[in-house]
Amino acid sequence: GQNIDQPTEMTATEGAIVQINCTYQTSGFNGLFWYQQHAGEAPTFLSYNVLDGLEEKGRFSSFLSRSKGYSYLLLKELQMKDSASYLCAALFNNAGNMLTFGGGTRLMVKP
Amino acid sequence: DVKVTQSSRYLVKRTGEKVFLECVQDMDHENMFWYRQDPGLGLRLIYFSYDVKMKEKGDIPEGYSVSREKKERFSLILESASTNQTSMYLCASSFGGRSETQYFGPGTRLLVL
Repeated sequence: GQNIDQPTEMTATEGAIVQINCTYQTSGFNGLFWYQQHAGEAPTFLSYNVLDGLEEKGRFSSFLSRSKGYSYLLLKELQMKDSASYLCAALFNNAGNMLTFGGGTRLMVKP
Repeated sequence: DVKVTQSSRYLVKRTGEKVFLECVQDMDHENMFWYRQDPGLGLRLIYFSYDVKMKEKGDIPEGYSVSREKKERFSLILESASTNQTSMYLCASSFGGRSETQYFGPGTRLLVL
């Protein structure tokens, strides 16, 4: 299989930093997406990594290690509006254009 | 901005009814996708289409069919709705490349009684 694993829930404090991890099976791996989904809304694109390293976009950064089958999403200077689910999704060579999604990590930001 | 719209936000149907969920995108995307999202299971792909009249099964196609007669429109059909098809249904679209970002519609929350 091509299981994508991420924690179910996390809690953090406003203004802090939080790291959401995602692991996947490396066989056939070809890229990783992070999406944000607020309750009752559509997932929205945050980042795409295909090469090793850190990609920074404002308060959000995404990291990938292809050899370790590991990615994380780093959120800095947390705001209350960052309370949402964060979805990790991977592309695999043997799955055409289809993404495989993890179960999502529900992040709660507290004052 | 890419816009993906779905015909209904909320839908209530009875067991055995035929259900149509419509999705329209306005960015001339080649690929369109139908997912269902259930607590603890994440998004699971039902079907996708990479061109007009073309379709491929995803991970959980049983009990569903799809139609893509025009490039901008992708329909999901439940021939005979069952209670285990109660779920959130999300449509997405993307350009043709494998690594292209998928853009999602707002979702249809379907309740089958």
